[in-house]
Amino acid sequence: AQTVTQSQPEMSVQEAETVTLSCTYDTSESDYYLFWYKQPPSRQMILVIRQEAYKQQNATENRFSVNFQKAAKSFSLKISDSQLGDAAMYFCAYRSAVRGNTPLVFGKGTRLSVIA
Amino acid sequence: DAGVIQSPRHEVTEMGQEVTLRCKPISGHNSLFWYRQTMMRGLELLIYFNNNVPIDDSGMPEDRFSAKMPNASFSTLKIQPSEPRDSAVYFCASSPGRYQPQHFGDGTRLSIL
Repeated sequence: AQTVTQSQPEMSVQEAETVTLSCTYDTSESDYYLFWYKQPPSRQMILVIRQEAYKQQNATENRFSVNFQKAAKSFSLKISDSQLGDAAMYFCAYRSAVRGNTPLVFGKGTRLSVIA
Repeated sequence: DAGVIQSPRHEVTEMGQEVTLRCKPISGHNSLFWYRQTMMRGLELLIYFNNNVPIDDSGMPEDRFSAKMPNASFSTLKIQPSEPRDSAVYFCASSPGRYQPQHFGDGTRLSIL
């Protein structure tokens, strides 16, 4: 079974600074997707960014980018120019692409605080 | 476009009562997922459907939990009888296909007293 580990239960960053959230995963599959979801206090689950395992290029969405290291099974999220609205729980998630439309496997999350 | 719609948003009920959570997926999405979020266990899959057919229900805690998807636009998750340890946030998510991300509803916060 696949597992996802987020080793930082809490992180904080100064407004306008950069922060990196860590995520590692374990799988024997070669075809999969990785995601970062944001959950603000409203409890919505908001997709931040996704990465296809077969792509070597790291995904980028505006101020959010990932560092995908397939051999190391590492998938970190970098948030640049942090804003107060970035404060939330962040979940790393894995999804197999081997057998059709499969469920997400989540890490335990990292709570990010942004300091004004 | 309407997103995934879950109801109710909050539910408070007494132990032993039947609870029914509802989900309307995004039109055209052929996969539906039910997740549960607790402080202790985080986000975990309960059950998922492809084309209205249950594919994996191994995450359903016990026989008190049941889920149905009678058609492509509606699913229910039922707990009978409910217990305090069922208190959690229950999310429904849908996806249009294998290579597409899942879209989540706003969740139902369930409190069993």
